[in-house]
Amino acid sequence: GQNIDQPTEMTATEGAIVQINCTYQTSGFNGLFWYQQHAGEAPTFLSYNVLDGLEEKGRFSSFLSRSKGYSYLLLKELQMKDSASYLCAVRNQAGTALIFGKGTTLSVSS
Amino acid sequence: DGGITQSPKYLFRKEGQNVTLSCEQNLNHDAMYWYRQDPGQGLRLIYYSQIVNDFQKGDIAEGYSVSREKKESFPLTVTSAQKNPTAFYLCASIGTGTLQQPQHFGDGTRLSIL
Repeated sequence: GQNIDQPTEMTATEGAIVQINCTYQTSGFNGLFWYQQHAGEAPTFLSYNVLDGLEEKGRFSSFLSRSKGYSYLLLKELQMKDSASYLCAVRNQAGTALIFGKGTTLSVSS
Repeated sequence: DGGITQSPKYLFRKEGQNVTLSCEQNLNHDAMYWYRQDPGQGLRLIYYSQIVNDFQKGDIAEGYSVSREKKESFPLTVTSAQKNPTAFYLCASIGTGTLQQPQHFGDGTRLSIL
């Protein structure tokens, strides 16, 4: 079967650092994506990992361990506008589709 | 600007009615996708198409139909057989050739039952 797990909700304060975890069990793996989605809007691409290790892009970093079926998204210097849902998605072996987790709703307070 | 256009933004369906959601892209992408999103849920794949005149069922295809007569267009029909159609529908596309390309999404169509 295919399963992607993320925490449902997280809260943090402005200026803090937050780590959103994602574990996956899929029949194949061809890369892992993180998307940000504000309420009522389409998801926007944040990061892509296909090899083990850390990918850094400004305030956002993403880590992958394929042997553990584990990834995390790290958000630094949190801002109010970072309040959104964060979706973890795995591309299947054939590369034909993305399998999404249910998303983590992050609330940033002042 | 290149992108994906979904229309309408809001759609209401009467009992027993079929409705069609439009998705058009000018990105010259080969693959197109339809997802359904329910409140507090992730995206679930309805149908996808890798090339013109070919498409495959996703995880929740029952009650839906699609066509891919042109590369740019991938309309989704929500049939009367779909008993719980209220959801946010997202269309996406991706170019083939490099797997690290992210999917591009349209702005979505919110479908409700009258």
